[in-house]
Amino acid sequence: DAGVIQSPRHEVTEMGQEVTLRCKPISGHDYLFWYRQTMMRGLELLIYFNNNVPIDDSGMPEDRFSAKMPNASFSTLKIQPSEPRDSAVYFCASRVSGSSYEQYFGPGTRLTVT
Amino acid sequence: AQSVTQPDIHITVSEGASLELRCNYSYGATPYLFWYVQSPGQGLQLLLKYFSGDTLVQGIKGFEAEFKRSQSSFNLRKPSVHWSDAAEYFCAVGAFSGGYNKLIFGAGTRLAVHP
Repeated sequence: DAGVIQSPRHEVTEMGQEVTLRCKPISGHDYLFWYRQTMMRGLELLIYFNNNVPIDDSGMPEDRFSAKMPNASFSTLKIQPSEPRDSAVYFCASRVSGSSYEQYFGPGTRLTVT
Repeated sequence: AQSVTQPDIHITVSEGASLELRCNYSYGATPYLFWYVQSPGQGLQLLLKYFSGDTLVQGIKGFEAEFKRSQSSFNLRKPSVHWSDAAEYFCAVGAFSGGYNKLIFGAGTRLAVHP
């Protein structure tokens, strides 16, 4: 089975540009999570969805960040406009109901904003 | 509030030596506990998990962890470390909040292995 798929794996962009990160969860999983990892703050939960509906977005740092899940097999995390402090590795994870919290992570997208 | 503490930020061991990574959690109910490993440039991979039953759980790559309720700990162990074990290790507790389940992660422990 394919795991969680993220694209792109690396993104370099200039400050002020729009950035879109993409995630395909494991088929059949009904929860999807977006995390951000930095040296300073570690692993932070940004937002998560259940059955394509955003449940908790309290971790989204500010209005420049938005996430959508138009269907069960696709989600995006968008940053507009991007800033250098957004440089981080962004992970997507998914899980299935009843799996007692166990999440499966994608390989991550390393974002660099110059 | 639920939380996870990993007291050691960096640990260095020699190849072949034993390893123990510490994890302490704070959670009011019976915890669901996890250890994940992150190799350089990779995502997080589940090593092992504890839900109930036997307090000593076995995982992949020769790792094991022991749940000790009295100490609120879930330490990860390996009897003989291999160079390929160099990675960052995250302890996590499953938290039930607002009607939904999510994971609370510790800050991680970075393991270096000397040949």
